[in-house]
Amino acid sequence: GESVGLHLPTLSVQEGDNSIINCAYSNSASDYFIWYKQESGKGPQFIIDIRSNMDKRQGQRVTVLLNKTVKHLSLQIAATQPGDSAVYFCAEKIGYGQNFVFGPGTRLSVLP
Amino acid sequence: EAQVTQNPRYLITVTGKKLTVTCSQNMNHEYMSWYRQDPGLGLRQIYYSMNVEVTDKGDVPEGYKVSRKEKRNFPLILESPSPNQTSLYFCASSLWPNEETQYFGPGTRLLVL
Repeated sequence: GESVGLHLPTLSVQEGDNSIINCAYSNSASDYFIWYKQESGKGPQFIIDIRSNMDKRQGQRVTVLLNKTVKHLSLQIAATQPGDSAVYFCAEKIGYGQNFVFGPGTRLSVLP
Repeated sequence: EAQVTQNPRYLITVTGKKLTVTCSQNMNHEYMSWYRQDPGLGLRQIYYSMNVEVTDKGDVPEGYKVSRKEKRNFPLILESPSPNQTSLYFCASSLWPNEETQYFGPGTRLLVL
């Protein structure tokens, strides 16, 4: 069945380095993808999104890349900061009406 | 301040005792949704509502009920809770079904003994 998953469950990076969090999806009909950040004790927070007619989208310090050929999504965080430490989820939307499927999450730890 | 609120934030109950978790948003959003979050499984959608009196099942609706009598409120009802419903629950809302930004509430941690 359809699924959204993450290659790395945990990721540790040095402060100032760039982070890359990966996500695989299986439904080629998915047309919309979102990355969320969840800090401890809080609800998920929208970071950036991308539609299937795009390959790349940039935000402030974050970039999302979409490779539809291999059904792969990645989130790049530039100059990672301690405040970036959190769990990051990718999610895909399947069909009209927001029936989102979320991945299990990757924990990002920023080392001093 | 635009926000989604949930109550209670923490709840311990016993098997079979009906409970309701409230969710309210002040952004006049059409779309609201409930998720549960379990370790290793991520967020799974329970129910969603695209407007007042319009609700539909998500991926894991068994054992749950919802209602949408007003646009701002979307309570989650567990008629007869069971231990496998112990989880962290999130309510979310967005302006329209295809509106990208879903705003999440702070979460309700439920323990069913």
